[in-house]
This record gives sequence, structure tokens and C-alpha cells, in this order.
Amino acid sequence: GQNIDQPTEMTATEGAIVQINCTYQTSGFNGLFWYQQHAGEAPTFLSYNVLDGLEEKGRFSSFLSRSKGYSYLLLKELQMKDSASYLCAVMDSNYQLIWGAGTKLIIKP
Amino acid sequence: DGGITQSPKYLFRKEGQNVTLSCEQNLNHDAMYWYRQDPGQGLRLIYYSQIVNDFQKGDIAEGYSVSREKKESFPLTVTSAQKNPTAFYLCASSGQGDNSPLHFGNGTRLTVT
Repeated sequence: GQNIDQPTEMTATEGAIVQINCTYQTSGFNGLFWYQQHAGEAPTFLSYNVLDGLEEKGRFSSFLSRSKGYSYLLLKELQMKDSASYLCAVMDSNYQLIWGAGTKLIIKP
Repeated sequence: DGGITQSPKYLFRKEGQNVTLSCEQNLNHDAMYWYRQDPGQGLRLIYYSQIVNDFQKGDIAEGYSVSREKKESFPLTVTSAQKNPTAFYLCASSGQGDNSPLHFGNGTRLTVT
């Protein structure tokens, strides 16, 4: 079966750096997405990786290793507003999105 | 500003009643999707439509129905046949290209008692 694994919850301190991991086993691979979702709100797009390596976008970076079935989202200079759930989703060989359950990130002052 | 509007934000129904959730987009996107989000689970695809007057079942279509009569609109009906309808429902759309990200509405929280 297809599977996406992310930690359920993480806690970090304001101003620090946090890395949220995502491992996947899917039938084929056509890209990996990260979304941010504040409680009760719409998920919003953060990043897309299809080739190995690091993609940087301001305070957020996303890394992909296709051979390891692994990605991470790196958040720097954490702010209180970064408290949210972070969803990892993989597009399989049929171009269908397979979603992880999300990682709830709690930022403490 | 372009976006996706879902209404209402909260919906309460009695068991045995059908209920329709609205989804409208003004992004000029061809593809639209309905997902269900439950605690501790990833988003699950209910139905999707890639063009007007055409739609396909997703992974959990049983107990749901949709229509796509207009490009802008993709309403979802939760029927009485859906055994566990209480959930957070998200509508999304996407543009051309396989790597086009999804744009989501703010969701409708449906509670059936």
C-alpha cells in the first residue's frame, strides 16, 4: 500500500530552527508538496520538490531524497504565527496526491 | 482577489438528511476536488472533476454525490447513505500542469447527530 509518515506533533521555541520529516512509500513518484494549515483554516501551499536537493524560500526550505523516500521541511527564525499543522503530500505514478496525516507544530515563547 | 469560497463554515444536520456543501472558485481553474479531513488522518479524496460536466470518484466516494454544471461551481452532497458524515470538508482547485499546487477553500465543518 501507499504510505506517508510524519511525526504527529513537534514543539519548538520562538526564534529557533525546526525540521519536520516526511518519509514515503508510494507507487511511483511525480513530486512532493508541503502545505501549511492553521487550525480550522485552508491548507496553503509552501513548496514543491521533484528533483533531489534543497529548495529555499525565505525562512522555509524543503529537501528531497528520492532514493531514500524522504523529505524534510526546515523552518528558520521561528515565529509564533508558524504554529500550525504541516502536511506532506506525494504525487504518485497516476498523478494522484497521497497525503500524510500532518505534523502539528507548537511554538513556545 | 481570486479564490475559493466554501459555505457555510459550520453545518449541522440530523441523521437521515441529505446536505449540500457549496464550493465556488473564481480562479478560472479547470480541475476541482473535494477532500475530507479527519483527526489523525491524511486528506482523503472524495470526488474530483477535471472539466465541466465530468467528474470521477476518489478513494471514498460512497455516500457522496457531486455535479459540475459550471466551471466555477462544484457542490458536494452528503447523502444519508454516508455512514460517518461528521467531518471537515475541503474543496480545492488547481490550474494546468501536474505540479500545479492545490488552492483550498476554508472548509465546511459538518456535524450530523
